[in-house]
Amino acid sequence: EAAVTQSPRNKVTVTGGNVTLSCRQTNSHNYMYWYRQDTGHGLRLIHYSYGAGNLQIGDVPDGYKATRTTQEDFFLLLELASPSQTSLYFCASSDEAGGFAETLYFGSGTRLTVL
Amino acid sequence: AQSVDQPDAHVTLSEGASLELRCSYSYSAAPYLFWYVQYPGQSLQFLLKYITGDTVVKGTKGFEAEFRKSNSSFNLKKSPAHWSDSAKYFCALEGQGTGSKLSFGKGAKLTVSP
Repeated sequence: EAAVTQSPRNKVTVTGGNVTLSCRQTNSHNYMYWYRQDTGHGLRLIHYSYGAGNLQIGDVPDGYKATRTTQEDFFLLLELASPSQTSLYFCASSDEAGGFAETLYFGSGTRLTVL
Repeated sequence: AQSVDQPDAHVTLSEGASLELRCSYSYSAAPYLFWYVQYPGQSLQFLLKYITGDTVVKGTKGFEAEFRKSNSSFNLKKSPAHWSDSAKYFCALEGQGTGSKLSFGKGAKLTVSP
């Protein structure tokens, strides 16, 4: 089964702080994603990538940057954190061998609190 | 544009009953549809997906879903329900040619009483 590991599990920062969330997948998947989960909104896509050096904008990208340094590693950066970014963040990966409708494999999540 | 609606935020039923979680979608072309489950304190897990062909798709844990183009729905079903099915369920849609961008519904929290 696909393995997606996120770190840290929990993070508390202050308004204006700088935060980096990390995600590593070890299944040679091409696609990686960052979602945020909020009550009343379900999961919303922030950024995604289909390979090292590639970045695609999701549906709620404002206030977030992302970098895909290798096929395995995908980072989400909040350079000036705001309380509205308090959320549960999930990383996911998928294989694009079929070209569509691939299953997403999710990490365990990072709970971020911005005070 | 694509969107997914799960109209029932909370569903409660007794163990042994039949469960059906509703999902409707809006998309101008043929969609790819998914159900994911999130158990308390855990991450999301894939349950099943519809791509094309048979309108009833079977997934893991005894779940199945029926795709109905006529009313743009993809409802999740299981009978009988078990207390261990208590979880949050998400319906998701991938539009053709959207580069694997999934749109998720807001989720439905299912509580099955023993």
